[in-house]
Amino acid sequence: DIQMTQSPSTLSASVGDRVTITCRASQSISSWLAWYQQKPGKAPKLLIYKASSLESGVPSRFSGSGSGTEFTLTISSLQPDDFATYYCQQYNSYPIFTFGPGTKVHIK
Amino acid sequence: EVQLLESGGGLVQPGGSLRLSCAASGFTFSTYAMSWVRQAPGKGLEWVSIISGSGGSTFYADSVKGRFTISRDNSKSTLYLAMNSLRGEDTALYYCAKATDTGLTDYWGQGTLVTVSS
Repeated sequence: DIQMTQSPSTLSASVGDRVTITCRASQSISSWLAWYQQKPGKAPKLLIYKASSLESGVPSRFSGSGSGTEFTLTISSLQPDDFATYYCQQYNSYPIFTFGPGTKVHIK
Repeated sequence: EVQLLESGGGLVQPGGSLRLSCAASGFTFSTYAMSWVRQAPGKGLEWVSIISGSGGSTFYADSVKGRFTISRDNSKSTLYLAMNSLRGEDTALYYCAKATDTGLTDYWGQGTLVTVSS
């Protein structure tokens, strides 16, 4: 089974900061990686798919990169609406999926 | 607009059973695989099960294999999850989710809460 890790598990940042979250896969998943944002009491929202493709309607301050086993989600200038938990998900082994453990972004 | 509306959650005793439903609209239901994903209180996301568009193929996480059964009724655009032999660790918010043809999970319902407790 493919295992996913994320770092950091939590981070504190200020509005306007550049934020980077890393996701690693236990084996190559090519570019079959998605990023989701989840706010308390809400369903996850798709931000990025195929490692670097921005979902329609998602602000351009979000970007993704990477391939193989290492991936990053970058928020170029953190906004108040961005404080949330972020999850990566591999779908290389579809129909079996694996999520990362999540990264919670706090207000500093 | 894609909409996924889960129902059927509730409080159940350990060893009990429950059936969740997910009513889908806004897309051609029979074309797409559908998943169940759960989230225990304060925890991360855990993929539970998936079913192909036709219903002919199903897959399960090891944690629920043999206890949960996923199914669908394409004539009603509805997804189901039958849960038996429930345990405390099955307590979670259960989300219904749609998959694209490449396996990407692109839409999620709002979830239905299952609590397993005596």
